[in-house]
Amino acid sequence: GESVGLHLPTLSVQEGDNSIINCAYSNSASDYFIWYKQESGKGPQFIIDIRSNMDKRQGQRVTVLLNKTVKHLSLQIAATQPGDSAVYFCAWGSNFGNEKLTFGTGTRLTIIP
Amino acid sequence: KAGVTQTPRYLIKTRGQQVTLSCSPISGHRSVSWYQQTPGQGLQFLFEYFSETQRNKGNFPGRFSGRQFSNSRSEMNVSTLELGDSALYLCASKSLGGTNYGYTFGSGTRLTVV
Repeated sequence: GESVGLHLPTLSVQEGDNSIINCAYSNSASDYFIWYKQESGKGPQFIIDIRSNMDKRQGQRVTVLLNKTVKHLSLQIAATQPGDSAVYFCAWGSNFGNEKLTFGTGTRLTIIP
Repeated sequence: KAGVTQTPRYLIKTRGQQVTLSCSPISGHRSVSWYQQTPGQGLQFLFEYFSETQRNKGNFPGRFSGRQFSNSRSEMNVSTLELGDSALYLCASKSLGGTNYGYTFGSGTRLTVV
């Protein structure tokens, strides 16, 4: 498949275990944060988002934590499955007509069967 | 409903040529953005269009341009291609308002400049 990134940080997790992917963002004025999953040959797929006035949000098998003090974002995936293998990106943006996302460098998650 | 459609899927061009990429957003989505993805630079914002107007532009040279039509379909153009323009070009559309801040991305156009 197509290579998304040649020198991405990598994380290998045993199937069934939980995984935590971290992201440091740069703009303290960001209004929202998003996690995307990108599989080989596909565009980024939305996973979950969180507004800057929240510190935690849960979805189906995923939880996003936001720590604005240290400008850190994390994505927790529970009970990982082989289909979770992909590159994960965090992104952040601001409201008020500035529809631009800034992306983190990405993390390659590999699920070990 | 149909997702974001980008054409062509793959493209090979020669240095100095120009190229036009097309994007059809999800029906009803009026905001369309373009991103360039390379192994070295990651995902970088090119520009965003809403109601046929470019509202935001990233830090790319003037060789990169785009437009949006009245039906929200968008095109981007790269003139005088350079080897470094080889990348995956992603289009994303969004319905403004609502609770979801995320754009929906297409599968991209893989451009190779030789």
